[in-house]
Order: sequence, then structure tokens, then C-alpha cells
Amino acid sequence: QQQVKQSPQSLIVQKGGISIINCAYENTAFDYFPWYQQFPGKGPALLIAIRPDVSEKKEGRFTISFNKSAKQFSLHIMDSQPGDSATYFCAASIGNTGNQFYFGTGTSLTVIP
Amino acid sequence: GAGVSQSPSNKVTEKGKDVELRCDPISGHTALYWYRQSLGQGLEFLIYFQGNSAPDKSGLPSDRFSAERTGGSVSTLTIQRTQQEDSAVYLCASSFPLRGFSYEQYFGPGTRLTVT
Repeated sequence: QQQVKQSPQSLIVQKGGISIINCAYENTAFDYFPWYQQFPGKGPALLIAIRPDVSEKKEGRFTISFNKSAKQFSLHIMDSQPGDSATYFCAASIGNTGNQFYFGTGTSLTVIP
Repeated sequence: GAGVSQSPSNKVTEKGKDVELRCDPISGHTALYWYRQSLGQGLEFLIYFQGNSAPDKSGLPSDRFSAERTGGSVSTLTIQRTQQEDSAVYLCASSFPLRGFSYEQYFGPGTRLTVT
């Protein structure tokens, strides 16, 4: 059973546009929600993360929006650039267990120049 | 500083052979994870080591899979009698839990395993 559901599977955005990737979860015990960015041939790298005590977190062009009641969170990439073309994974975990991170199935983002 | 390293970067093996995949975590990181990434899939948790605690092996898909971590540092993932469905990228990650919380995981580049 997929603990974290991610959509869309792929996304094509024009340069300068906004990329939006969505994730949903069921387990209300999750308390840490990171997003990872993965380039071909590389391992995923932490991009930005949020905890459920805030509804939004922004770092540069990247913003996480978190809706605790709907059990959804999303990644917004403002002013998308061709260099943002990568696969993005959302994840969720229960922080004090340390071990179980549940990842979404990934979104392949292509930013067209 | 050095990140997480994995070797080999690519491995092609014949069905039925055993393979060993190696992970060198970041120095000082006490937590180490193995994941499997199949084409078009997310990251599938395999096993987790934390310090001297017993590893969490709940994600290992079959008894053909095993892993060990020697001296709290280097880890080896072993797949016995490989099958074609074992073909995937195997990713290792390490982290430094703070007050019991494991947040940022640092991933290695992965080992691409192809079973022919």
C-alpha cells in the first residue's frame, strides 16, 4: 500500500512558469515531509522540508504548502528554469522513529526553454 | 567533505549469481539506509541501521537479501541467487539522528544492478 501518493507522474512547464507537484498521505502520525530532487545518475538530494506545525515554507524559488486537515502537501517551483528539470520525490516520516521514510513515486519535471 | 559513496556504480550479473553492493556513509553518521529504486517507481525501503541497535530489516523483499554494517560504518548489501526482478538502482543514504530524530538523509549515487 502506497503510504504517500504523488501526482502528476510527469510535468512539462515553460521556462518562467510555475511547477506544482502534489502529495497526499493517510497516516496522521507523520510529522516530517521532505522533498527530494534527483538528477539522472545521481542520488536524491534534500530540497526542502516542512513539519506540520506550519502551513508554508519557502526557500528561494521553492515553496512547500501544507494542508494538515486535507493531509496534502505540495511543492511549488516559481520561475521554473531548465536546470530544474529533474525527478522530484515527496516523502513522509515519523521523526522519532528514525527509520521509516515513505517516498512518493516521483514526478519527472521538464522545463522547456 | 566526502559524501556517501557506493560501489560499484554499475553491476551486470547473470541470473542465479550472488552480488555484493557496498556503501561508505558520511563519517560520523550513525544511521544508514538501503533503498531500491525501480524504473518509474519511488524509493522502496529495504533496511535501516542505527548505531549498535538491531537493524530494521522489515523492508527486505526476500531472504535472498541481507545486509550488514561493520564497525558502525561501511555497509554491504548482499543479494543471493539474483533474479531478473532484482534489476534496479540500489541507493544508500546516511544521516546523523539528533535527539532520536533522523531528518536529512544524504544519498549516494547508487549502484545500478542489471540481472541478465
